[in-house]
Amino acid sequence: DVKVTQSSRYLVKRTGEKVFLECVQDMDHENMFWYRQDPGLGLRLIYFSYDVKMKEKGDIPEGYSVSREKKERFSLILESASTNQTSMYLCASSFSTHADTQYFGPGTRLTVL
Amino acid sequence: AQSVAQPEDQVNVAEGNPLTVKCTYSVSGNPYLFWYVQYPNRGLQFLLKYITGDNLVKGSYGFEAEFNKSQTSFHLKKPSALVSDSALYFCAVRDTNAGKSTFGDGTTLTVKP
Repeated sequence: DVKVTQSSRYLVKRTGEKVFLECVQDMDHENMFWYRQDPGLGLRLIYFSYDVKMKEKGDIPEGYSVSREKKERFSLILESASTNQTSMYLCASSFSTHADTQYFGPGTRLTVL
Repeated sequence: AQSVAQPEDQVNVAEGNPLTVKCTYSVSGNPYLFWYVQYPNRGLQFLLKYITGDNLVKGSYGFEAEFNKSQTSFHLKKPSALVSDSALYFCAVRDTNAGKSTFGDGTTLTVKP
């Protein structure tokens, strides 16, 4: 079975802090994704990566950056956390960009105070 | 551009009755269509997908969905609902020419005993 793990289930940070969310997948997938999930807004894509050191902006990249130094690991960075970044963050991976199922991690619920 | 709509925030059905969760989409090319389910405090899990071929797609846990090109719909169905089907359901679409999927806002399904 594909396994996607995220470094924390719950995280509490203060405004202005730099925040790292880590995601690791164990199936040698090419593609990795970061979403945020908010009630009534569904899943919104922040960034995705289709190869090591490659990244593409999603629908809401402002205030975020990403890093993919190794194929299995995709990090989401909040350079200076703000209260409007309080959300559930979901990482996903897929084998290819075409028609392929995405496998999701359990999510990190981030609260910014 | 691609978009997906789930017109119902909430669907309530009695156990044993058939259920339908609606999804409509818009793409400029041909669509890849997906359904995912999220149980409480869990990440999203893949249910089924339509890529090409037979319009009726069967997936996990007895769910199925029908691709209707003329109505641009991909409704999720199950003949007999279970209480354990209660969850948040997401429809997603990907244009064959696009590099990423777009998710709907989600529909909460509640199955009452």
